[in-house]
Amino acid sequence: NAGVTQTPKFQVLKTGQSMTLQCAQDMNHNSMYWYRQDPGMGLRLIYYSASEGTTDKGEVPNGYNVSRLNKREFSLRLESAAPSQTSVYFCASSVGQVGTEAFFGQGTRLTVV
Amino acid sequence: RKEVEQDPGPFNVPEGATVAFNCTYSNSASQSFFWYRQDCRKEPKLLMSVYSSGNEDGRFTAQLNRASQYISLLIRDSKLSDSATYLCAAYPGGYNKLIFGAGTRLAVHP
Repeated sequence: NAGVTQTPKFQVLKTGQSMTLQCAQDMNHNSMYWYRQDPGMGLRLIYYSASEGTTDKGEVPNGYNVSRLNKREFSLRLESAAPSQTSVYFCASSVGQVGTEAFFGQGTRLTVV
Repeated sequence: RKEVEQDPGPFNVPEGATVAFNCTYSNSASQSFFWYRQDCRKEPKLLMSVYSSGNEDGRFTAQLNRASQYISLLIRDSKLSDSATYLCAAYPGGYNKLIFGAGTRLAVHP
């Protein structure tokens, strides 16, 4: 079972470059999430999509955009990368009803130099 | 104030010890709480859901205290393999977004 798949797993960007992190789930989940994780900060929600066709800001949305391409895919775009965006990014999905657990991808380690 | 807060630790305990973590949440309308386990450089994985009546799974017990707005995780008979970071999570106020605490690091030593 693939579950939640993120690509790429590692990426190094130069300041000002753009890139898109891809996420796909094969569990027919309605809700999808993007988090970033920095040392000592836990998981912070960037954006989420409660259902196909909707997206909402989370705790730290500045500098990011998202697209819910279809029910399976939820991408995160950095238009102009900054060193402060160096982090580990996790995509997650859940059935979509409040109260259901989220399943995570393996993460993308992004370094912006 | 963060919506979900945890003591970052680390908690250093010997094998066989009992250890407890608390996690507070700020929104009294929060529903549905979870404990996740995260190993170093890995993705978080669900450890337990937290029900109003409390729940137990082997050596692990989770409880919810709505009056004081916290959830707890109790680990009995700690094993070396329990060493990890434990993250609590909640859906605040019924919104369909899952918010995490910063995590509590546990180190179990021989």
